[in-house]
Amino acid sequence: AQTVTQSQPEMSVQEAETVTLSCTYDTSESNYYLFWYKQPPSRQMILVIRQEAYKQQNATENRFSVNFQKAAKSFSLKISDSQLGDTAMYFCAFIENTGNQFYFGTGTSLTVIP
Amino acid sequence: GAVVSQHPSWVICKSGTSVKIECRSLDFQATTMFWYRQFPKQSLMLMATSNEGSKATYEQGVEKDKFLINHASLTLSTLTVTSAHPEDSSFYICSARDLIGTGVQETQYFGPGTRLLVL
Repeated sequence: AQTVTQSQPEMSVQEAETVTLSCTYDTSESNYYLFWYKQPPSRQMILVIRQEAYKQQNATENRFSVNFQKAAKSFSLKISDSQLGDTAMYFCAFIENTGNQFYFGTGTSLTVIP
Repeated sequence: GAVVSQHPSWVICKSGTSVKIECRSLDFQATTMFWYRQFPKQSLMLMATSNEGSKATYEQGVEKDKFLINHASLTLSTLTVTSAHPEDSSFYICSARDLIGTGVQETQYFGPGTRLLVL
């Protein structure tokens, strides 16, 4: 069964500092996609970053980057130069290449401290 | 990017009434939409997968007669909570995948959610 684990229920970071959110997953498939979604207090789910499993290069989007370790089934999110607007719940998600269902982690609540 | 809207964003109703929530893909066609339920400080729980022109697929433990889903067009899916009770109060989120157009097919685009409060 596919599972996604986020072991950090809550984290905090000082403004302008860097923070890393961890995510591990379990699958027997070789082709899949991984995502980080952000849910701010408005509760709108916002796509932060996306990674294809067949790509070795780690995805980056401005201040957001991932450390994708396929063998270890690890997909951590690094936020650089943290801003107050980064305060939100962050969900790691996974979908198989041939699948239809997203599998979400339990989320990490990130607070950026001014 | 792909935009998904939900209406209403807030609804308060009396126990025993039915509530309809609409989910629309605004700039792409979605053969498949998903309905989630989220409790405070928890993750999203998939309730059902809505397929255009066919019956929805419900997750285990979700009552299909309680949560009626209709996906009559490529841009609209509706969730009707029938005979709502206080325990149905929650945050309901829909999402859609752009499986036809040039968008990233694996990505789910989420609506802003609907807060339901049943008195």
